[in-house]
Amino acid sequence: GAVVSQHPSWVICKSGTSVKIECRSLDFQATTMFWYRQFPKQSLMLMATSNEGSKATYEQGVEKDKFLINHASLTLSTLTVTSAHPEDSSFYICSAFGQGAMNTEAFFGQGTRLTVV
Amino acid sequence: GQQVMQIPQYQHVQEGEDFTTYCNSSTTLSNIQWYKQRPGGHPVFLIQLVKSGEVKKQKRLTFQFGEAKKNSSLHITATQTTDVGTYFCAGPSVSNYQLIWGAGTKLIIKP
Repeated sequence: GAVVSQHPSWVICKSGTSVKIECRSLDFQATTMFWYRQFPKQSLMLMATSNEGSKATYEQGVEKDKFLINHASLTLSTLTVTSAHPEDSSFYICSAFGQGAMNTEAFFGQGTRLTVV
Repeated sequence: GQQVMQIPQYQHVQEGEDFTTYCNSSTTLSNIQWYKQRPGGHPVFLIQLVKSGEVKKQKRLTFQFGEAKKNSSLHITATQTTDVGTYFCAGPSVSNYQLIWGAGTKLIIKP
C-alpha cells in the first residue's frame, strides 16, 4: 500500500523556538495532505488541509501564523510550529489519500510527538 | 456542521469477551472507514464499507454499514490482547475533501 513517512517521530524543544515536521508520500503523489493534532485520549483533530502549490486551508481556531504549512511538491508537506509553547505539546500526524480521492483509504505518517519545555 | 458520533468512549472487557463500537453520522455517507490506533501509534486503515446494508468480516471483526448509510458498527468476537487500541470510524465530508472522524472507542482488556 501507499506509504507516508513523517519525520521526526519525536522532538523536544524549548519554549519560544520553532519546530519543523516533514510529511512525505513515498510512492505516490499527494496533491492534498492533512495535518492532525491529537491530544492524549482524544480523537484526531484536523488542523489544516495542505494543498500542493497553494495556500493551506486552516480549520477554525487554528492559527495559520503559528502553524505554517508548506506543500511545495507533490510528495512533501511541512508543518512548522513557530514560537512553540508548552500547550503546543501534542501528537501531530499527517495523512494523504493514496489515490488522491477521499473515497479511498487514508494513509498516515508515523506521527510526531512534540514536547515543548 | 457534519458530525460523526461514536460510542462508547471506552469499553473494558475480559479477554475472550466480545466488543462493539457504534458510529452514527449526521449526514448520509458515501462510505465509512474504520481505523485502529495502537497506543503510541498512528491510525491504520482496517476497512471501507460502501454499500447500503453492507457487512464485511475480517477474521473475528465484523463491520456493518446501515441501510440508510448513516450508521455503522464494528464487532469483535472473542477479544484478544492484540485487539487492544482505539478504533475510529470516519466518513467523507459532504463539502470538503476530508474525513470526518468519530471520537474513537478505546478497547481495554481487563487483567
